Amino acid sequence: EVQLVESGGGLVKPGGSLRLSCVGSGFSFSSYSMNWVRQAPGKGLEWVSSISTSSSYENYADSVKGRFTISRDNAKNSLFLQMNSLRAEDTAVYYCAREVGRVWYDYWGQGTLVTVSS
Amino acid sequence: QSVLTQPPSASGTPGQRVTISCSGSSSNIGTNYVYWYQHLPGTAPKLLIYRDNQRPSGVPDRFSGSKSGTSASLAISGLRSEDEADFYCAAWDDSLSGPVFGGGTKLTVL
Repeated sequence: EVQLVESGGGLVKPGGSLRLSCVGSGFSFSSYSMNWVRQAPGKGLEWVSSISTSSSYENYADSVKGRFTISRDNAKNSLFLQMNSLRAEDTAVYYCAREVGRVWYDYWGQGTLVTVSS
Repeated sequence: QSVLTQPPSASGTPGQRVTISCSGSSSNIGTNYVYWYQHLPGTAPKLLIYRDNQRPSGVPDRFSGSKSGTSASLAISGLRSEDEADFYCAAWDDSLSGPVFGGGTKLTVL
């Protein structure tokens, strides 16, 4: 059974940093590009970032470019999102998602909540 | 303001057919596939439709997708109470070089 489990969310002050993790199981993690998608309170889904299978290609939404860094460790079936210079508008539930094709996400995690507040 | 435009809400009674629209442009829906996701807040989003009108295994045939020009639609027939959720369309945007989502449509089964 395919599973994606996020962790690392929490409360952080504006300007602070946080590192999210997502562990995949039940599939060949290294064979899939992976993505982060978030949902702010009362808002819709927003794509954040993606990374290719071998980490050779990364892509970011304009709203996080220069502040967030996506990475992965295929040996540990893990996906990461390093979030720096956090802002109140980054407050959201962050989901990791397995990518079959562009925008085609067949499995998602349950999400981890990030709250940016003083 | 989302790149893809959806109505904020839709509703129907059990057994009815409901349609949710998604409007975009030539840089997204007009030239790329559309995907639909069902989401209950606090849970993992679920893929409903891929490549405009294809259903993953396990998704009932009550759900169907269509596309024409720069607009797409999700139709749900034989509405059930368990269909209550938020529905999102998504597509790749060539101008932004990334995925874009609609603002979401909250479906209520009356």
